[in-house]
Amino acid sequence: DQQVKQNSPSLSVQEGRISILNCDYTNSMFDYFLWYKKYPAEGPTFLISISSIKDKNEDGRFTVFLNKSAKHLSLHIVPSQPGDSAVYFCAAMERWNFGNEKLTFGTGTRLTIIP
Amino acid sequence: NAGVTQTPKFQVLKTGQSMTLQCAQDMNHEYMSWYRQDPGMGLRLIHYSVGAGITDQGEVPNGYNVSRSTTEDFPLRLLSAAPSQTSVYFCASSYYGTGGNYGYTFGSGTRLTVV
Repeated sequence: DQQVKQNSPSLSVQEGRISILNCDYTNSMFDYFLWYKKYPAEGPTFLISISSIKDKNEDGRFTVFLNKSAKHLSLHIVPSQPGDSAVYFCAAMERWNFGNEKLTFGTGTRLTIIP
Repeated sequence: NAGVTQTPKFQVLKTGQSMTLQCAQDMNHEYMSWYRQDPGMGLRLIHYSVGAGITDQGEVPNGYNVSRSTTEDFPLRLLSAAPSQTSVYFCASSYYGTGGNYGYTFGSGTRLTVV
């Protein structure tokens, strides 16, 4: 049962254009959503997050949009740069009781920026 | 400031052997966790800990043990290695209750092959 889904395994975008990565989820108990970036042979690096009470969060070239009614979020990268080529993971956090939390990851989207 | 350090980076085990994957962090983070990454599966939570002396199971705990005797260290033990445990293992940490806003800090991973 995949609670966090990234349906596009790969995406190619021209340098300077907008990259849009999509993510869908099924669990209504998620209260934070995060995006991670991963280069080969390295651990994931946190990019940006959004609380479930917001619909947009922006940090420089990166903006995350959340549509709770559709259980959908997206990451926009503008403008796309060659260094953005990596695998991007969408993740969702569920918290319960006092201190228990679980981060569920999607399967990732490989973004390639074409110079 | 080393962050999250995982050792070894690579390991080959024979079926039935046991071993311990080491994880240490120097950021005084209370929350630590172990994930495995498999092709097409994203990252899946194995075990987590909200502080020294406290551990709990994640999504895929079978075949793995953990303990948390200090804040800094969170070793993952494979009791009797099986080929299905061939994977890349990531350790992550964060300050208690901040993972949603600031994400987890991940180590660079341990690539384990069981033959």
